[in-house]
Amino acid sequence: LAKTTQPISMDSYEGQEVNITCSHNNIATNDYITWYQQFPSQGPRFIIQGYKTKVTNEVASLFIPADRKSSTLSLPRVSLSDTAVYYCLVAPSGTYKYIFGTGTRLKVLA
Amino acid sequence: SAVISQKPSRDICQRGTSLTIQCQVDSQVTMMFWYRQQPGQSLTLIATANQGSEATYESGFVIDKFPISRPNLTFSTLTVSNMSPEDSSIYLCSVENRELAGGSSYNEQFFGPGTRLTVL
Repeated sequence: LAKTTQPISMDSYEGQEVNITCSHNNIATNDYITWYQQFPSQGPRFIIQGYKTKVTNEVASLFIPADRKSSTLSLPRVSLSDTAVYYCLVAPSGTYKYIFGTGTRLKVLA
Repeated sequence: SAVISQKPSRDICQRGTSLTIQCQVDSQVTMMFWYRQQPGQSLTLIATANQGSEATYESGFVIDKFPISRPNLTFSTLTVSNMSPEDSSIYLCSVENRELAGGSSYNEQFFGPGTRLTVL
């Protein structure tokens, strides 16, 4: 399973766009990229998943370059409630063996 | 989606004792997963519990320490045996979206709220 590298922490201000980049240099052909969000005292929550190019949902966008060795989670106009840990996972479609990396601790400031 | 509940939500235990954590899902699922999250750390998969068969444990986790039961398609228990302070963690159960969404290929899991265990 591909290993991921993310920044340990980031700070942002309300209303700004936040981009969190994840490196996964040894991603395999059948791997998908998935992002989870975890608030304190809660289990992780699925945000978005993609294979290549760009994926957008009501919460976030995911940008994946052609070589797929990295991905960027984009959160538009963050609010204080977006303060959480964000995990990037890379795994084949249908696998259940998730390897959670260190995650990125995002703090949104007023 | 799925609604997952865990009991207890938290507990403080003495070393040498055991605690059984319950996980209840509002849908029938074949596979349930147990994770551990140590304070300030990421999640680590402990084992996968299939209904009707022995649980499959990940490297570093053994059945004697973390026995798991899976009596039906909506329920599982994880026991933390002979506890020591190093077992102080949050324990989470999860299920796969694929089973709930009728075959979706997404790698999406739904997690319970977790059980916060402190061992003194």
